[in-house]
Amino acid sequence: QKEVEQDPGPLSVPEGAIVSLNCTYSNSAFQYFMWYRQYSRKGPELLMYTYSSGNKEDGRFTAQVDKSSKYISLFIRDSQPSDSATYLCAMSSLIYNQGGKLIFGQGTELSVKP
Amino acid sequence: GAVVSQHPSWVICKSGTSVKIECRSLDFQATTMFWYRQFPKQSLMLMATSNEGSKATYEQGVEKDKFLINHASLTLSTLTVTSAHPEDSSFYICSARGLAGGHGYFGPGTRLLVL
Repeated sequence: QKEVEQDPGPLSVPEGAIVSLNCTYSNSAFQYFMWYRQYSRKGPELLMYTYSSGNKEDGRFTAQVDKSSKYISLFIRDSQPSDSATYLCAMSSLIYNQGGKLIFGQGTELSVKP
Repeated sequence: GAVVSQHPSWVICKSGTSVKIECRSLDFQATTMFWYRQFPKQSLMLMATSNEGSKATYEQGVEKDKFLINHASLTLSTLTVTSAHPEDSSFYICSARGLAGGHGYFGPGTRLLVL
């Protein structure tokens, strides 16, 4: 069993739709949860970062962490064609300032159609 | 945000040759650099972690004699794929972390194709 599971998609939605992306994990030691966006043939860029459980909102993006269910989500409101990319969840058990090893999900390929 | 560059962005080489990939932190000192490999439609897999001036720590299953990592300065780390074979064809991405800590900033990646 992989430590982090993510549906690879592809996921296709019309412009303006609300997108829900999810990851499940098995390691209860994970404390730091991140979402990265990766455009084709580019390196990942950090979108959202959450510590422990709860919600975090940044513009059209909302990240949710439910540690009791070992489940994290990223919601994108009013999706735009420019949001078309692969979204990767990543997790770490070490404190932020120590960095440590990130464990990535497989990535979900999202396509937002005009 | 912090900027990390990689060179070259893509490389094609013959089987048996060695290829060097550079990772540079352009506007901060990178005390730690991470090297990842990503196969098509798959996740990023950490290959090794290097701290400036120290030997790299390799993940299980990664051959240290095949993937040579050098982190001789606070702004530059190199990954050399020695005696490359077609199965080494992949997308190699570095991530650099500075004194402030955190999980680092990713470079744009280097696509390697071994014929």
